[in-house]
Amino acid sequence: KAGVTQTPRYLIKTRGQQVTLSCSPISGHRSVSWYQQTPGQGLQFLFEYFSETQRNKGNFPGRFSGRQFSNSRSEMNVSTLELGDSALYLCASSLPGRNTEAFFGQGTRLTVV
Amino acid sequence: SQQGEEDPQALSIQEGENATMNCSYKTSINNLQWYRQNSGRGLVHLILIRSNEREKHSGRLRVTLDTSKKSSSLLITASRAADTASYFCATYGSSNTGKLIFGQGTTLQVKP
Repeated sequence: KAGVTQTPRYLIKTRGQQVTLSCSPISGHRSVSWYQQTPGQGLQFLFEYFSETQRNKGNFPGRFSGRQFSNSRSEMNVSTLELGDSALYLCASSLPGRNTEAFFGQGTRLTVV
Repeated sequence: SQQGEEDPQALSIQEGENATMNCSYKTSINNLQWYRQNSGRGLVHLILIRSNEREKHSGRLRVTLDTSKKSSSLLITASRAADTASYFCATYGSSNTGKLIFGQGTTLQVKP
């Protein structure tokens, strides 16, 4: 069974640009969540999608957005990039039930210069 | 916000020794999960323990859960150099959705 796939693995962007990250969940998983990991703040929840609907959102500015497609694949977008957006962005997928195991992808390392 | 606090923040041991990491959390939970992360890569799911379980084993891993103390521990027995990684505990927020709340993690170094 294929795991969670995130693309691209690495990305370098310039301040002010925007970026789109992609996440393909494990087959059959309909819940997809996104997290930001930085040395200073640790792992922080961005948002969760289930059946194409955002079900929960973390405490991030509106520059961070996401969506989920009918095949459960998800994308997150960050507009007007800032240096502080440099981080490892992780996607997790889980089965539809509540409080189930969450499986993570390898992450996308975003560097903003 | 971090729900969990992990202790110790860093641990260095020799191969063959056991490693114990502790995690505390604040709110009531349905389950608690442990993850491993190698050098800035993705999180690998290790084990999930439910609130009605006190102990769970998976290979060389042993996890305990004490809901009265809101704490959990992860024991790695007979450690190997390949166990060198950061270990995180995570629980779901009280909103009962897909929001996992992580501790700051324990960095484990196993010396050959």
